[in-house]
Amino acid sequence: SQQGEEDPQALSIQEGENATMNCSYKTSINNLQWYRQNSGRGLVHLILIRSNEREKHSGRLRVTLDTSKKSSSLLITASRAADTASYFCATDARNNLFFGTGTRLTVTP
Amino acid sequence: KAGVTQTPRYLIKTRGQQVTLSCSPISGHRSVSWYQQTPGQGLQFLFEYFSETQRNKGNFPGRFSGRQFSNSRSEMNVSTLELGDSALYLCASSLYLWELFFGEGSRLTVL
Repeated sequence: SQQGEEDPQALSIQEGENATMNCSYKTSINNLQWYRQNSGRGLVHLILIRSNEREKHSGRLRVTLDTSKKSSSLLITASRAADTASYFCATDARNNLFFGTGTRLTVTP
Repeated sequence: KAGVTQTPRYLIKTRGQQVTLSCSPISGHRSVSWYQQTPGQGLQFLFEYFSETQRNKGNFPGRFSGRQFSNSRSEMNVSTLELGDSALYLCASSLYLWELFFGEGSRLTVL
């Protein structure tokens, strides 16, 4: 399977804290993306990092990529209750995106 | 710009029936992908269409099929429904693979 795996499966933090979730994948990639899914809804694209990039920022999001370890991390700083959602990494292979298993983030006020 | 529209949003079927789900992509997007999401298996890729041609297919039985029309709208069909087909079916459109725009999904319950 081309799927990645997110770690941890679930994460609970309080508002204002930082949240870090990790993604490991199996094969070489061109890019890696992160998506967010609110309960039972569609996924929303957050950020894309290319294989030749090591770090990327977008607002409160920071993504790192280590192609030698086939891993990526997503950091959400100063978390808010509205960040409560599932977060998925997605890797491209054979002209398709394959999604990881997701991290369920709960941010309590 | 209108987003990806999936219909119906919810539906209930019984085993053995068939179902057709519809997806209208964002205007100008020619690629449409379908995913099945279940608690146990997560997000599983079904197939992807580009300009009316199926470019890729996931590891699903032949009961799962799809098509894309000249206006890029897509449909997927599941025949001879099984209980295990209960899932959220997500459609996504894109200009390129590096950003998918998802619809809200069609939640199928098979009884």
